[in-house]
Amino acid sequence: EVQLLESGGGLVQPGGSLRLSCAASGFTFSSFAMSWVRQAPGKGLEWVSGISSSGGTTYYADSVKGRFTISRDNSKNTLYLQMNLVGAEDTAIYNCAKVRAQGLGTYHFDSWGQGTLVTVSS
Amino acid sequence: EIVLTQSPATLSLSPGERATLSCRASESVRSYLAWYQQKPGQSPRLLIYDASNRATGIPARFSGGGSGTDFTLTISSLEPEDFAVYYCQQRSNWPLTFGGGTKVEIK
Repeated sequence: EVQLLESGGGLVQPGGSLRLSCAASGFTFSSFAMSWVRQAPGKGLEWVSGISSSGGTTYYADSVKGRFTISRDNSKNTLYLQMNLVGAEDTAIYNCAKVRAQGLGTYHFDSWGQGTLVTVSS
Repeated sequence: EIVLTQSPATLSLSPGERATLSCRASESVRSYLAWYQQKPGQSPRLLIYDASNRATGIPARFSGGGSGTDFTLTISSLEPEDFAVYYCQQRSNWPLTFGGGTKVEIK
């Protein structure tokens, strides 16, 4: 059974930093691209960032480009999101998500974690 | 970026009725569109990928259609557990984008 467990969320001040982690199990982590998707309270889904299975290619939403960095450690089956210069607009539940199939471009998500809440406030 | 517009925002129906949800893209996404279901307090669940393929374990009452810029999700006969919010998502171009969602509520 695929399991994705996010951690690292919490309260952070505007302009601060936070690193989220997503521990994966139940599948061959190194074979699948991954993404972070967030959801502000009471709002819809927003894709944040994606990374290829090897970690060699990364993608970002314009809203986070230059501030957030996605990475992965395939030896630890863990996905990361380094968040810098956060603002109130980054307040959301952050979910990691696994793509449906191996291979380039298959960025539809068949498994999601329960999410970790990031609150940006002074 | 490709904008996905979902309509209607809210759909009020009774169990047993047919639901038809729409997702329109600002430019062609070919067939690279997915549909997700999200219930309160839960993470999204993949229903349909690449426009018309049901994901593993998804009941046959869910079907997807369309290509290019216009897509539909059809629930042939609503079950009580189908009342939820539905999102479309494209993987044709970066950045990936989601639609704003359609809430299917009990009439």
